[in-house]
Amino acid sequence: DTAVSQTPKYLVTQMGNDKSIKCEQNLGHDTMYWYKQDSKKFLKIMFSYNNKELIINETVPNRFSPKSPDKAHLNLHINSLELGDSAVYFCASSQGASGYEQYFGPGTRLTVT
Amino acid sequence: GNSVTQMEGPVTLSEEAFLTINCTYTATGYPSLFWYVQYPGEGLQLLLKATKADDKGSNKGFEATYRKETTSFHLEKGSVQVSDSAVYFCALYGGATNKLIFGTGTLLAVQP
Repeated sequence: DTAVSQTPKYLVTQMGNDKSIKCEQNLGHDTMYWYKQDSKKFLKIMFSYNNKELIINETVPNRFSPKSPDKAHLNLHINSLELGDSAVYFCASSQGASGYEQYFGPGTRLTVT
Repeated sequence: GNSVTQMEGPVTLSEEAFLTINCTYTATGYPSLFWYVQYPGEGLQLLLKATKADDKGSNKGFEATYRKETTSFHLEKGSVQVSDSAVYFCALYGGATNKLIFGTGTLLAVQP
């Protein structure tokens, strides 16, 4: 059984388009995260939700909008895609807002052309 | 602010060689320390953790000891296998932050 799943796995799109990435976890966790991993493998947190409430919002362009319809889902919508948005986006989950043991999804490789 | 510094890779070893990947941290308070591993094409997995000074985390033959005096959490394995080839991330949580702070990752390539 997949614990944290993301769709799609690959996403290729053109500049200016709007796209969404979906994440679901079946671990019963109450906190979910979005991370961005750049081409040099540097990993940085973008957002975190606890019980559907936004608790971490890093310095991310407002073209990125997370949405958490329930505790098990956290989606990421990106407007007006730019070349610099190309990266691998990882969803993760943990139990508790101060949960440091995080479980990661397989990642979504976004390529903007 | 809190930060993690890892040795740059890639680290290339022959099978059965001894592995050390250095990690040092800067943090206020008493953070917890972690090593995560990312196999090719996959997400990160927690490899081991230590929550207080002098704790030793261990898993799958890997070990790391939380050294407060040297602010270090070096990853070691006595005999690496080809299947250990992956990117290894040192991370910290706590102190003045409620976020996992990752190092830049170290690519390990083990050759048969």
